[in-house]
Amino acid sequence: DAKTTQPNSMESNEEEPVHLPCNHSTISGTDYIHWYRQLPSQGPEYVIHGLTSNVNNRMASLAIAEDRKSSTLILHRATLRDAAVYYCILRDQYSGGGADGLTFGKGTHLIIQP
Amino acid sequence: ETGVTQTPRHLVMGMTNKKSLKCEQHLGHNAMYWYKQSAKKPLELMFVYNFKEQTENNSVPSRFSPECPNSSHLFLHLHTLQPEDSALYLCASVPGTSGRDEQFFGPGTRLTVL
Repeated sequence: DAKTTQPNSMESNEEEPVHLPCNHSTISGTDYIHWYRQLPSQGPEYVIHGLTSNVNNRMASLAIAEDRKSSTLILHRATLRDAAVYYCILRDQYSGGGADGLTFGKGTHLIIQP
Repeated sequence: ETGVTQTPRHLVMGMTNKKSLKCEQHLGHNAMYWYKQSAKKPLELMFVYNFKEQTENNSVPSRFSPECPNSSHLFLHLHTLQPEDSALYLCASVPGTSGRDEQFFGPGTRLTVL
């Protein structure tokens, strides 16, 4: 079973910020939090990941709660091309190449209104 | 473009056919995965290969047979499939086995079994 919980869908307006939540109350101290997104008819693509501190890259920001039991993916200015399914997954940094943390849940379907 | 290619992009086959899916990466990665994505279901991990050795087989039926001849190529051989095997088959490669590592996904092969 997936170890994360996300809303099924969210809707936002173009050019506004979007905050996508993820709950992971059973996270362990060695789990990295990864976010991926899947655009229609494409394979998933990496967005961002983090361990404890907030992270920024050219695509998004990741805000991690102090107790690490939840995180939020932030798209600062959504465009129509950001409409996708967003997945939050946990990956143990000592997974040793095993299947742990390669479980994708249903994700959040983000709808962007023009 | 993620650097992971998959061929063919679309495949239609009968239940008695034998076909193969191919995945290729020249990113120097050491781990490669096969996932299955059925309509309205989460991604399901099928097989994991690390350094050309299969390390995970998530209870996949024997009609799916993976092959990893070298670290750059991964195949999924298909025979006597069922209509319920129709799905998007995704390949991913990962630099190493750490939980920090990003997965690079191919565009997928859309398989239809008649």
